Amino acid sequence: GQQVMQIPQYQHVQEGEDFTTYCNSSTTLSNIQWYKQRPGGHPVFLIQLVKSGEVKKQKRLTFQFGEAKKNSSLHITATQTTDVGTYFCANKAAGNKLTFGGGTRVLVKP
Amino acid sequence: AAGVIQSPRHLIKEKRETATLKCYPIPRHDTVYWYQQGPGQDPQFLISFYEKMQSDKGSIPDRFSAQQFSDYHSELNMSSLELGDSALYFCASSLRGTGSHPEAFFGQGTRLTVV
Repeated sequence: GQQVMQIPQYQHVQEGEDFTTYCNSSTTLSNIQWYKQRPGGHPVFLIQLVKSGEVKKQKRLTFQFGEAKKNSSLHITATQTTDVGTYFCANKAAGNKLTFGGGTRVLVKP
Repeated sequence: AAGVIQSPRHLIKEKRETATLKCYPIPRHDTVYWYQQGPGQDPQFLISFYEKMQSDKGSIPDRFSAQQFSDYHSELNMSSLELGDSALYFCASSLRGTGSHPEAFFGQGTRLTVV
């Protein structure tokens, strides 16, 4: 079945620095959704990308969908302690199956 | 705004017992999903329902079953529990009518511990 892989698995970031997490697929994706899960919390929807080369911004977060629609990235600038959590990319296949990547666990060093 | 409600929040069961998890989706949402998340793992898709009919099936063990009722609430029934079933179980709901790939709204989850 279709799989999305995320790298890195862990990201230790100094507060104030930038970082990027990547989501890759071996097949073309019709869409990518990004979710954030705080420690002890539940996944919360952040954004959805559907168009080739699409770029969307939410304050310090920039989401990008690759031209070939096989990869996506999330770039966070000026990391804050509130950015701590696990960021998942996910693909919604035909039907109702939402498949998550392995997630990038972000730890922020103050 | 109303969110997805799951009950119970925590559940402790012994091996070989049965557990029932309940989910109340956001009103007017037509799709319900169930996910299992082990410690440090990503949520694994179990099963989904659209308009009370099963629409997709993932890695759900045969010991588990689920259904969606006329009031749209859903239940996940787990029998012959094993230690490995200990996990966070999330229910999510979405409204297909909002687009071909609607976002999923997750509940707070039920933490099941099998001892």
